[in-house]
Amino acid sequence: GAGVSQTPSNKVTEKGKYVELRCDPISGHTALYWYRQSLGQGPEFLIYFQGTGAADDSGLPNDRFFAVRPEGSVSTLKIQRTERGDSAVYLCASSLLRQQNTEAFFGQGTRLTVV
Amino acid sequence: GENVEQHPSTLSVQEGDSAVIKCTYSDSASNYFPWYKQELGKRPQLIIDIRSNVGEKKDQRIAVTLNKTAKHFSLHITETQPEDSAVYFCAVPNNFNKFYFGSGTKLNVKP
Repeated sequence: GAGVSQTPSNKVTEKGKYVELRCDPISGHTALYWYRQSLGQGPEFLIYFQGTGAADDSGLPNDRFFAVRPEGSVSTLKIQRTERGDSAVYLCASSLLRQQNTEAFFGQGTRLTVV
Repeated sequence: GENVEQHPSTLSVQEGDSAVIKCTYSDSASNYFPWYKQELGKRPQLIIDIRSNVGEKKDQRIAVTLNKTAKHFSLHITETQPEDSAVYFCAVPNNFNKFYFGSGTKLNVKP
């Protein structure tokens, strides 16, 4: 596609439910990143993939969060037993390579609201 | 990890004036410094970036300056227009392009 695509754009869920957020990166981009942006804050790193493997998941806040990228393109961020504190915009970014100096392109984000 | 600090958190200028936003970072090995603009409800978009082999880069009304010795870089917007109103983020990637973002500057350009 022309850019990074994220679905859904908005998700409202009840506390305790499970949610999946999807990211479709730019075709051919090997590196994929997930960030979380709370209101009034800069994006914070969650996890990144190089190909199919999670190369760095140090930003995942706890074991309720998990992400996969089984075929090296589309990625899904999964959140179990959602809590109100999980409410934020979840941004996905991709870059052609994972090296520094490579422009990262962001998706529109998924606004998650846990009620 | 990288420690990125961004100032000011809010900036209000009159249309036509200049705006300057500054970021400091901690890892002296960093060599790529992008600036992103984020309008309300929209994705962050790259507006300008600089690599460590140069001290300044300009693109029309936008410029970025880099001081590697002092470990800071700044975004300069001249002749500001109302459509420049947005939140601006600096970022410093690590070796694997994992971005550390500043906390953002909300720029308000008053017509």
